[in-house]
Amino acid sequence: RKEVEQDPGPFNVPEGATVAFNCTYSNSASQSFFWYRQDCRKEPKLLMSVYSSGNEDGRFTAQLNRASQYISLLIRDSKLSDSATYLCVVNEGGTYKYIFGTGTRLKVLA
Amino acid sequence: GAVVSQHPSRVICKSGTSVKIECRSLDFQATTMFWYRQFPKQSLMLMATSNEGSKATYEQGVEKDKFLINHASLTLSTLTVTSAHPEDSSFYICSASSGRADQPQHFGDGTRLSIL
Repeated sequence: RKEVEQDPGPFNVPEGATVAFNCTYSNSASQSFFWYRQDCRKEPKLLMSVYSSGNEDGRFTAQLNRASQYISLLIRDSKLSDSATYLCVVNEGGTYKYIFGTGTRLKVLA
Repeated sequence: GAVVSQHPSRVICKSGTSVKIECRSLDFQATTMFWYRQFPKQSLMLMATSNEGSKATYEQGVEKDKFLINHASLTLSTLTVTSAHPEDSSFYICSASSGRADQPQHFGDGTRLSIL
């Protein structure tokens, strides 16, 4: 089993739709969680950290479910510019190593 | 947000050349820096982790004599691809972290390396 797993997609959604991605992690001792987005041929950019109580930033909502060991990202009112690959990143704490999921590809269609 | 500068952004050179890539954290002290490589349509692959003032830790399968990493200060790490060959052509990305597990890492813009 991979340490961090994501559905690679692609998720093709129309503009204005709401879309959600999940990411599961295998190490129950994982301490911190992040979502990044990566555009084609560019570096990953931090989208948001994921806090235990859940957090929201505009159209984006992130949640953590420690019992089931997954994090989620919800995007409301999708824009064409949201088209990208969304990477789930988990830090297990002890080694300060960040474990990446393979990414979920989102295409927002006009 | 935190700024990490990576230079150069693009390199094209002949086979056998050594190429040096710099990664600088501009507004915070980067206790730990990471070097990644990404081939087209593939995931990021961690090559090595470097901590300021100590030797880098390389991932399995990454040749430490080929990919020389130096992290001499809290704001600068360098990756040197020695005697580069066409199969080393890739997108190399650095990231920097304050060393706290609850803080995200911040990425440089990446270096696209093409070896002819």
